[in-house]
Amino acid sequence: DADVTQTPRNRITKTGKRIMLECSQTKGHDRMYWYRQDPGLGLRLIYYSFDVKDINKGEISDGYSVSRQAQAKFSLSLESAIPNQTALYFCATSDPGAGMTEAFFGQGTRLTVV
Amino acid sequence: DAKTTQPPSMDCAEGRAANLPCNHSTISGNEYVYWYRQIHSQGPQYIIHGLKNNETNEMASLIITEDRKSSTLILPHATLRDTAVYYCIVRASTSGTYKYIFGTGTRLKVLA
Repeated sequence: DADVTQTPRNRITKTGKRIMLECSQTKGHDRMYWYRQDPGLGLRLIYYSFDVKDINKGEISDGYSVSRQAQAKFSLSLESAIPNQTALYFCATSDPGAGMTEAFFGQGTRLTVV
Repeated sequence: DAKTTQPPSMDCAEGRAANLPCNHSTISGNEYVYWYRQIHSQGPQYIIHGLKNNETNEMASLIITEDRKSSTLILPHATLRDTAVYYCIVRASTSGTYKYIFGTGTRLKVLA
């Protein structure tokens, strides 16, 4: 089983619909992240959370919200999806430490807004 | 936050060493350099990281210049499976916490 699991893997939704992308992890890590990736571009940070009570905006948080339901679960919501939110979305986790930790990524969710 | 600059693409012959450069001239003293790669549209995979000294693991070597303003990731014997986008990341610190900021990376194509 994957350490970081994203559901769904693929989703097509209509403009204006609410959609939630879910992420769960078995690493026991406190830190979780949501990124989006557009064709030809690198990953851009949407939101990140360093523990259950901590939520922080990333580079491109407008139009998104998140929920950290438990240490192992971090959900990303699009309250009213729009076509330019069509992208590949990645969840990641990392372990707090002395700055020498790696991030583990899920397999990605390909979202298409039509 | 320190930014990184990488060439957009590189080719390498199979079996040869692939040397991927990264410029991070604004890096601060306590920031680490990390390398990840992304094969096709899979989630990025950690390769290696370092602070000052050169590092080596089973996947690659990381050479960091003495002034820490640039680094090179070396894949000693590139294979076709190493074809991927390689990201050089400086571990950013904000208010005592850490996050990963990705650039656009280098698309490495290993040629048969």
